[in-house]
Amino acid sequence: GQQVMQIPQYQHVQEGEDFTTYCNSSTTLSNIQWYKQRPGGHPVFLIQLVKSGEVKKQKRLTFQFGEAKKNSSLHITATQTTDVGTYFCAPENYGGSQGNLIFGKGTKLSVKP
Amino acid sequence: EPEVTQTPSHQVTQMGQEVILRCVPISNHLYFYWYRQILGQKVEFLVSFYNNEISEKSEIFDDQFSVERPDGSNFTLKIRSTKLEDSAMYFCASSVTSSGNTIYFGEGSWLTVV
Repeated sequence: GQQVMQIPQYQHVQEGEDFTTYCNSSTTLSNIQWYKQRPGGHPVFLIQLVKSGEVKKQKRLTFQFGEAKKNSSLHITATQTTDVGTYFCAPENYGGSQGNLIFGKGTKLSVKP
Repeated sequence: EPEVTQTPSHQVTQMGQEVILRCVPISNHLYFYWYRQILGQKVEFLVSFYNNEISEKSEIFDDQFSVERPDGSNFTLKIRSTKLEDSAMYFCASSVTSSGNTIYFGEGSWLTVV
């Protein structure tokens, strides 16, 4: 079935450093969503990207969708301890119903104060 | 902000027992979902539900699983005969429509099968 690869699996940064996680697919994606899950928490929707080459910003977070719609990235500028958690990319399953999301394995971010 | 609520937050059950996990989706949402997350692993789609019927289900959602919307507010996941490997966090989620809308997740029900 459709899968996405997320790298890195873990990232440890010093507070104030930047952080980037990448999501790659072998197939073209119709859209991709990003979620954040705090330790012990539930996935919280961050953004949805639909258009080729799309870039969206939310304060210190920048999301990109590749031109070929096969990859995506999330970049956090000047990390803070509140950014701690696991970041998942989740495209909709190709050919599936909307809402059938294929989650990546996530990138677990830890931030050292 | 409106939220999806789930009960129980944690349930321990013996292998072979039936379990019902309950969810109250956000009131104006029309699409409902169940996902699960085995400890330390990724979130996996189980089933989507719209207009009182299943829209889609994954391979995980076999005959021991069923979903129901018994009234206007609740959305339930039933596992008929639990197995050890059913131990996981089960997330209910909902969205207004199916396309291009935020999917809101509940806080989850942690199921432990012993």
